[in-house]
Amino acid sequence: KAGVTQTPRYLIKTRGQQVTLSCSPISGHRSVSWYQQTPGQGLQFLFEYFSETQRNKGNFPGRFSGRQFSNSRSEMNVSTLELGDSALYLCASSLSQALGYTFGSGTRLTVV
Amino acid sequence: ILNVEQSPQSLHVQEGDSTNFTCSFPSSNFYALHWYRWETAKSPEALFVMTLNGDEKKKGRISATLNTKEGYSYLYIKGSQPEDSATYLCAFLHTGNQFYFGTGTSLTVIP
Repeated sequence: KAGVTQTPRYLIKTRGQQVTLSCSPISGHRSVSWYQQTPGQGLQFLFEYFSETQRNKGNFPGRFSGRQFSNSRSEMNVSTLELGDSALYLCASSLSQALGYTFGSGTRLTVV
Repeated sequence: ILNVEQSPQSLHVQEGDSTNFTCSFPSSNFYALHWYRWETAKSPEALFVMTLNGDEKKKGRISATLNTKEGYSYLYIKGSQPEDSATYLCAFLHTGNQFYFGTGTSLTVIP
């Protein structure tokens, strides 16, 4: 059974650009959530989608947005990149929050 | 923003030692508490999902307990092995359906 797939694995962008990250959940999982991890910080919750609707949103500026498609694949977009956006971005999918999440390998974004 | 704290931040133990660490979370609006193991260069892997006060879960040499009234969970590892070296994360899910992760406990098991 395929796991959660995130693309690309690594990305280098310059300040001011925008970026789109992709996440394909495990087949049958309708919940997809996104997290940011920066050095010294725990995983910070970005947002969660369920059946194409944003169900929850963390405390991130409006430059961070996402969406989910009818096949449950999700994308995360960051506009007007800042140096501080350099981080590992993880997505996770789940059948149910009560069952735990399966994480992808992450996208390492570097903003220069 | 809710506070989920894990202690200690890091831990070095000898192979064969037993160890435990703590996750503290708000005692109100509790929905679930998750534990994950995150090995270097891999994805976080779910260990336990705990939902009821007094829950005890076990997987091999690793076990966890939950006290929702006082807002803490313990993770125990019996007879630590080098392959247990990882960062252990807890995540608190409150009734608002948002996850709050702790910063993790980094465990190093010395052969």
